Amino acid sequence: AQTVTQSQPEMSVQEAETVTLSCTYDTSESDYYLFWYKQPPSRQMILVIRQEAYKQQNATENRFSVNFQKAAKSFSLKISDSQLGDAAMYFCAYRGPYSGGGADGLTFGKGTHLIIQP
Amino acid sequence: DAGVIQSPRHEVTEMGQEVTLRCKPISGHDYLFWYRQTMMRGLELLIYFNNNVPIDDSGMPEDRFSAKMPNASFSTLKIQPSEPRDSAVYFCASSFGLGPSYEQYFGPGTRLTVT
Repeated sequence: AQTVTQSQPEMSVQEAETVTLSCTYDTSESDYYLFWYKQPPSRQMILVIRQEAYKQQNATENRFSVNFQKAAKSFSLKISDSQLGDAAMYFCAYRGPYSGGGADGLTFGKGTHLIIQP
Repeated sequence: DAGVIQSPRHEVTEMGQEVTLRCKPISGHDYLFWYRQTMMRGLELLIYFNNNVPIDDSGMPEDRFSAKMPNASFSTLKIQPSEPRDSAVYFCASSFGLGPSYEQYFGPGTRLTVT
């Protein structure tokens, strides 16, 4: 079974600084999708960024970017110019290739609590 | 679009009672997922449907849990009888297909407390 590991239960960063959240995963598949979700105190799950494994180029969404290392099975999230509104739980998630018969949901890591210091 | 709608937002019940959680997916979405979030186990997939048909229920913890999707706009997750260890936040999510632009849209969740 696929597993997703986030080794940092909590991270703290000064406002306007850059922070990187780590994620590693285990899979035997060659084609899959990776995601970062944000969960603020409202508990709403918000998609931050996605990466298709077949794409070599790292995904970028405004201040959010990823460092995808397929061989190392690593998928870190970099947040530049941190803002107070970035404070939340961040979850790394994996989804395998379409199978049509199951295992098409997301497998999540345990999350990283990001604190933004003003 | 109103997004994925879940009800109730909060539910408090006593052990042994039946609990029913409800979900309305985004119109036009053909996949619906139920997840459970706890401090100990994090976010876990319980079951998902495609075109109202259950595809994978291997995450359902035990027979006390059941899920239905009678039509494209409504799904329920039922726990009978409920136990304190079922206390968690239950999320419903929906998506349109499973292609490269796949994205699951999550509802606000139902916080269940079983005393």
